[in-house]
Amino acid sequence: AQSVTQLDSQVPVFEEAPVELRCNYSSSVSVYLFWYVQYPNQGLQLLLKYLSGSTLVKGINGFEAEFNKSQTSFHLRKPSVHISDTAEYFCAVKDSGYSTLTFGKGTMLLVSP
Amino acid sequence: GAGVSQSPRYKVAKRGQDVALRCDPISGHVSLFWYQQALGQGPEFLTYFQNEAQLDKSGLPSDRFFAERPEGSVSTLKIQRTQQEDSAVYLCASSGRTGDNEQFFGPGTRLTVL
Repeated sequence: AQSVTQLDSQVPVFEEAPVELRCNYSSSVSVYLFWYVQYPNQGLQLLLKYLSGSTLVKGINGFEAEFNKSQTSFHLRKPSVHISDTAEYFCAVKDSGYSTLTFGKGTMLLVSP
Repeated sequence: GAGVSQSPRYKVAKRGQDVALRCDPISGHVSLFWYQQALGQGPEFLTYFQNEAQLDKSGLPSDRFFAERPEGSVSTLKIQRTQQEDSAVYLCASSGRTGDNEQFFGPGTRLTVL
């Protein structure tokens, strides 16, 4: 069975500061990894995904993530955050041979001026 | 083009009532998923359709939950005899091809059971 751990439930940060949101997963098979963002009262929007190839993945809105197989991690980073990045961020994993996503509990990113 | 839509956006039900939640996937998308998101939690898988076939319903929490997609497009999630623990946001997602890895999510239906 798969599982996803997002170690931080909330991450407060000042505007223009860098941020890292942590994600660790467990799976016995080859996986695909995703980060989604959820703004209040909205559905989930895909930020980026890792399927294969380069372990550094670039996504929308200036976010990037690095897949580390040995540490079973897929941490999300942004070098300089904006107020508008305030939202809930979800890490998710999917077996390469299966269709459904397993999500972490989410990390609330709070950006203040 | 239009994204995934869900209706109603908000639903308040008295305990014991039946509810029906609707999902309109992106036109032509083969796969459709339902997830339940409790307050402060990540989405949890409920069920998965490929066209009209329900291939996985292992996440449905009880036999009070039933989903259908009779013509392979619109899907309905029905909850019978609602309980307070059913209060959550119900998210629908669709994807284009079998094995396609990106799921597109709707805005969700927030169900509150009083």
